[in-house]
Amino acid sequence: AQTVTQSQPEMSVQEAETVTLSCTYDTSENNYYLFWYKQPPSRQMILVIRQEAYKQQNATENRFSVNFQKAAKSFSLKISDSQLGDTAMYFCAFIRSGANSKLTFGKGITLSVRP
Amino acid sequence: EAGVAQSPRYKIIEKRQSVAFWCNPISGHATLYWYQQILGQGPKLLIQFQNNGVVDDSQLPKDRFSAERLKGVDSTLKIQPAKLEDSAVYLCASSRWGASTDTQYFGPGTRLTVL
Repeated sequence: AQTVTQSQPEMSVQEAETVTLSCTYDTSENNYYLFWYKQPPSRQMILVIRQEAYKQQNATENRFSVNFQKAAKSFSLKISDSQLGDTAMYFCAFIRSGANSKLTFGKGITLSVRP
Repeated sequence: EAGVAQSPRYKIIEKRQSVAFWCNPISGHATLYWYQQILGQGPKLLIQFQNNGVVDDSQLPKDRFSAERLKGVDSTLKIQPAKLEDSAVYLCASSRWGASTDTQYFGPGTRLTVL
C-alpha cells in the first residue's frame, strides 16, 4: 500500500515571497504519478501541478514548481511570488500507473499568505 | 464547460437518520468518484464508477453506505443510518476515462454534520 506524508500542518508566508511545502511518500512501485492539489476555503479542490515519476525534469506551472527526488521519495512544492489567492489547503497525492489504481492523499497543509 | 455539480452543499442530521447526496459529473466523463474528507485529513476514496459499473468500493462501509450511478451519468450516495463519525465533507469527482494519468475534477462537496 502507498502512503503520503505531509508533516507540516500549517505554514505562513509573506505576500510576494517564496514558500516550499514538503511531501514524502512510500511505495514499491516504479511507475506512478504525483500531484499537488489546492483546496481554497469553502471552494473546490483543483489540480495545481503533476509529475510523472519516469520524468527526471521537474514540473513547472507558472509560479508553481516541484522538486521531485525519486530516490528519496520526496515531492515538494515551491510557490514563488506568493499571492493572497494562494491561501488554501494543499494536498500532496499519489497514484500508481495502471488500471484500477486510486488516488492517495496526504493530510494536507494549511498555507496562509500574509498581506 | 460546466464543472462537477453537487447538492446539497450543507446537511445537518441527527444520528440514525438517513441522508442522500447527489453528484452530476462533467459531461462526457466516464469515471465518477466519491470521496470522504474528515476534518484535518485528506480525501479518502469511497467508491469509483466506470460508466454505471463499480470499479472499486473496497473502502465503502457497505453496512450503511450505498451508491448508484444508474444511467452512467449522475450519481447518488446514501448513508442509512448515519453515525456521528460520518460527519465529513463528501466530495464527488470525475475524470474522462479513469486512467491514472487523467486529471480528476472535484465538485464543491457536501458538508455533513451528524448530531
